[in-house]
Amino acid sequence: AQTVTQSQPEMSVQEAETVTLSCTYDTSESDYYLFWYKQPPSRQMILVIRQEAYKQQNATENRFSVNFQKAAKSFSLKISDSQLGDAAMYFCAYRSAKGNAGKSTFGDGTTLTVKP
Amino acid sequence: GAVVSQHPSRVICKSGTSVKIECRSLDFQATTMFWYRQFPKKSLMLMATSNEGSKATYEQGVEKDKFLINHASLTLSTLTVTSAHPEDSSFYICSARVSHGELFFGEGSRLTVL
Repeated sequence: AQTVTQSQPEMSVQEAETVTLSCTYDTSESDYYLFWYKQPPSRQMILVIRQEAYKQQNATENRFSVNFQKAAKSFSLKISDSQLGDAAMYFCAYRSAKGNAGKSTFGDGTTLTVKP
Repeated sequence: GAVVSQHPSRVICKSGTSVKIECRSLDFQATTMFWYRQFPKKSLMLMATSNEGSKATYEQGVEKDKFLINHASLTLSTLTVTSAHPEDSSFYICSARVSHGELFFGEGSRLTVL
């Protein structure tokens, strides 16, 4: 079974600074997807960024980028120029590329605080 | 992006009553939806996978008779908490999967059982 580990329960960053959230996973599969989701205090989770395992290039979405190390099974999220609105709980998630209806495995989450 | 709507956002009920939570995909068809339970500042615990037109697949330890899931159409899945008790109080979230495996989530439903 796949597992996802987020070793940082809480992180804080100064506004406009950069912060990196860690995520490692364990799988025997070679084809899969990795995601970072954000859950703000309003509680609705939204997708931040997605990475396909077969792609070597790290995904980037504006201020959000990932450092995907497939051999090390590491998938960290970097938030640049942090904004107050980035404050939220962030979940790393894994999903197998096999099949159409596979369930996702989530990490325990990292609560990010942004200090003004 | 895809929109998933969940209703109600908050519900308070008396112990022993049943509560139904709806999850709708507004602009796409979802053959599969997922139901989660989340405790404060904790991760999402998958309860069941809801499949349109067939029985839901429940995770180990989740009572099928307590948490009834119905996925009668391609845009609607419902979770009914039957004979609710205070320990069922929680935040329930649904999601639907699209394209590359990413999930779109409903707003969540806060259930309080008195």
